[in-house]
Amino acid sequence: SYVLTQAPSVSVAPGQTATITCGGNNIGNKNVHWYQQKPGQAPVVVVYDDSDRPSGIPERFSGSNSGSMATLTISRVEAGDEADYYCQVWDSSTDHVWVWVFGGGTKLTVL
Amino acid sequence: QVQLQESGPGLVKPSQTLSLTCSVSGDSISNKGYYWSWIRQHPGKGLEWIGYIFYSGSTKYNPSLKSRVTISQDTSKNHFSLRLTSVTAADTAVYYCARIVGPVGRFDPWGQGSLVTVSS
Repeated sequence: SYVLTQAPSVSVAPGQTATITCGGNNIGNKNVHWYQQKPGQAPVVVVYDDSDRPSGIPERFSGSNSGSMATLTISRVEAGDEADYYCQVWDSSTDHVWVWVFGGGTKLTVL
Repeated sequence: QVQLQESGPGLVKPSQTLSLTCSVSGDSISNKGYYWSWIRQHPGKGLEWIGYIFYSGSTKYNPSLKSRVTISQDTSKNHFSLRLTSVTAADTAVYYCARIVGPVGRFDPWGQGSLVTVSS
C-alpha cells in the first residue's frame, strides 16, 4: 500500500516561514492535498492539487510537489496557524485498488 | 454552502454494529460530480479513509476494513450511512463524513465529526 511520511512536529517563531514535508514514492506524479486541523475541529483544506488554494485561505499558504517530496509552506507564520497538518493523495497503484491515503500528520508549534 | 452533519450513537458495545448517518445540505448526494465518504480518526492519531459511495450507489472501501464496512445512501433524505460490524475497542474514533471533490479526490467539506466509543 502507498505510504506518506511526515515529520511529527515542526516549530517556528512568529513571522518566520514553516516548511512541512510529505514524502512518498514518486509523489510528484500525484495530486497532493493539504489539510489543517485545529484541536477539536474537523480538517480543512488549505492547499489542493499540489499548489491551489481554496477561497478564503490566505496567500501565506502555498504548496509544491516534485520527485519524492511534496511541501506545504506557510509564510509569515501567525499564532493562529498552530495546528496539525496532513497531506493526502489518491492512489491506485496496488492492484488497481482505489484508496485515499493520508500522511501521519505534522504538528506545527508557533513558538 | 455545503454542510455535512454526522449523527448516531456515541457508545457501541463490543461485537455489535456501529451505525452513523451523514445528512447533507446545500448539495445533492445524487450529484454526479462528487463522491461521499467516511473517514475516521483514532484518539490522538491520524486520519484513515473508510470508504465512499457514488450517486449511482457504487461503493469502494479501504481494503483494511472492507470485510466489515457497508456504506449506503437514501437519496430521498439526502443522506448516506456507515455500518461497521463486529466492532472492538480499536474502532473507537471520531468518525467524519466528507465530500470528495475532483477526479483525484480532496475531501471538502467535512462534517464536524462524531465520537464513537466502543465499550461494554
